[in-house]
Amino acid sequence: LAKTTQPISMDSYEGQEVNITCSHNNIATNDYITWYQQFPSQGPRFIIQGYKTKVTNEVASLFIPADRKSSTLSLPRVSLSDTAVYYCLVGEERDTGFQKLVFGTGTRLLVSP
Amino acid sequence: EADIYQTPRYLVIGTGKKITLECSQTMGHDKMYWYQQDPGMELHLIHYSYGVNSTEKGDLSSESTVSRIRTEHFPLTLESARPSHTSQYLCASSEWDNSYEQYFGPGTRLTVT
Repeated sequence: LAKTTQPISMDSYEGQEVNITCSHNNIATNDYITWYQQFPSQGPRFIIQGYKTKVTNEVASLFIPADRKSSTLSLPRVSLSDTAVYYCLVGEERDTGFQKLVFGTGTRLLVSP
Repeated sequence: EADIYQTPRYLVIGTGKKITLECSQTMGHDKMYWYQQDPGMELHLIHYSYGVNSTEKGDLSSESTVSRIRTEHFPLTLESARPSHTSQYLCASSEWDNSYEQYFGPGTRLTVT
C-alpha cells in the first residue's frame, strides 16, 4: 500500500494561490491520487482525483509529474473558508475491485485575512 | 450536494449499553463505508459493503458490527459500549465504479461514560 507524506500545516493569506505537495514514492501502476477536504466536525469532502498529468475542476487543480511519485494540489485565490485539513490519498485496487482509501494525518491549511 | 444522513449527530451513553448508529443514503450507491476518527487524527476504515447482504471488516479492528439489508441503509451496532469506543463515526458511500470519490455523512460523535 502506497504511503503518502504531506506537510503537517501551511499558512496563507486570502487571495493567494496555495500549493500542497504530497509524496507517494511507492505508488502502484493502478493507483489513483485523490484529495479530500475536511472541516472540523464534518465528514471529508472529495475535491479532485487524477492519474497523471493535470486535472482541473471548478475548485482546484491537480498536477502529477510523469513519474507519479508526487502530486500537487493547487487552490487558486484562497479565502478564509478554505481553512481546513487537506488529505492526499492514494487508492489501492484490490483483486475484488474494491478501491481502498487510506487517510493520513493531512495538511492543516490556515488562511488569514 | 450528496444525500447521506447519519443519526444521531451526538450521543452520550453509559458503559454497557447497546447502541445503533444509523446511516442512510438516497443516491442508490452500492458501496458504503464506516470510518472511525479521533479528534485531530486520521480516519480509519472499520467496515465496508459492496451491496445488499455484503459486509467486510476494514483495516482497523472494531468490536462493532454492521448490516446491509437495504441498499440505502447501513447501520452500525455496538452490543456493549465502552469508554474506548468514544470517537467520531463517519459513514460514506460511493458509486460502484469509482470508490475514490466517496460521499461522507456529517458523522456521529459518540461519548461513552
